[in-house]
Amino acid sequence: AQSVTQPDIHITVSEGASLELRCNYSYGATPYLFWYVQSPGQGLQLLLKYFSGDTLVQGIKGFEAEFKRSQSSFNLRKPSVHWSDAAEYFCAVGASGGYQKVTFGTGTKLQVIP
Amino acid sequence: ETGVTQTPRHLVMGMTNKKSLKCEQHLGHNAMYWYKQSAKKPLELMFVYSLEERVENNSVPSRFSPECPNSSHLFLHLHTLQPEDSALYLCASSQGVPGANQETQYFGPGTRLLVL
Repeated sequence: AQSVTQPDIHITVSEGASLELRCNYSYGATPYLFWYVQSPGQGLQLLLKYFSGDTLVQGIKGFEAEFKRSQSSFNLRKPSVHWSDAAEYFCAVGASGGYQKVTFGTGTKLQVIP
Repeated sequence: ETGVTQTPRHLVMGMTNKKSLKCEQHLGHNAMYWYKQSAKKPLELMFVYSLEERVENNSVPSRFSPECPNSSHLFLHLHTLQPEDSALYLCASSQGVPGANQETQYFGPGTRLLVL
């Protein structure tokens, strides 16, 4: 069965600093990987996804993620964080199929300080 | 409206009440999902519908009853809930073409449910 680990429950960064959120997955075949962001009281918004091809994936809002098969990781990065990036971030791994069975991590809550 | 919408956004109900959550997607998708999001727990997939047929039911208590009358609408009927059912209920949709490769799920804003 697939699984996702987000080892950091809470991260605090200063505005303008760089950010890296960690995600490790477990899946028997080539994974399909996602990062979602959730603002308070809102649903999940897709930031980026990896299905195949280039292992460095660009997303919205200046985010990127790198798929590293050897490390079973899909870390999310942003070179310069803005106060509006404060939210909860979820990594997810999916299996192929006619409908999607996606397993989500427990999330990392990002706090941005001035 | 665009994307995935959910109503109501907030709901407070007693344990003996019956209520329904509604989800509507305007993306032309064929698959729809109900998730439960509780504090400090991963998202829990509850139900999946593909082409209006239920294809997944993850051991959800019978006090939750889904309904998918067409590919654009999904309901979650609630009755005799327990306080531990209080959570954010999220609806999502995806293209849902059988046999297709991985797809992306698009989420609604959720319904915040409080059971007293």
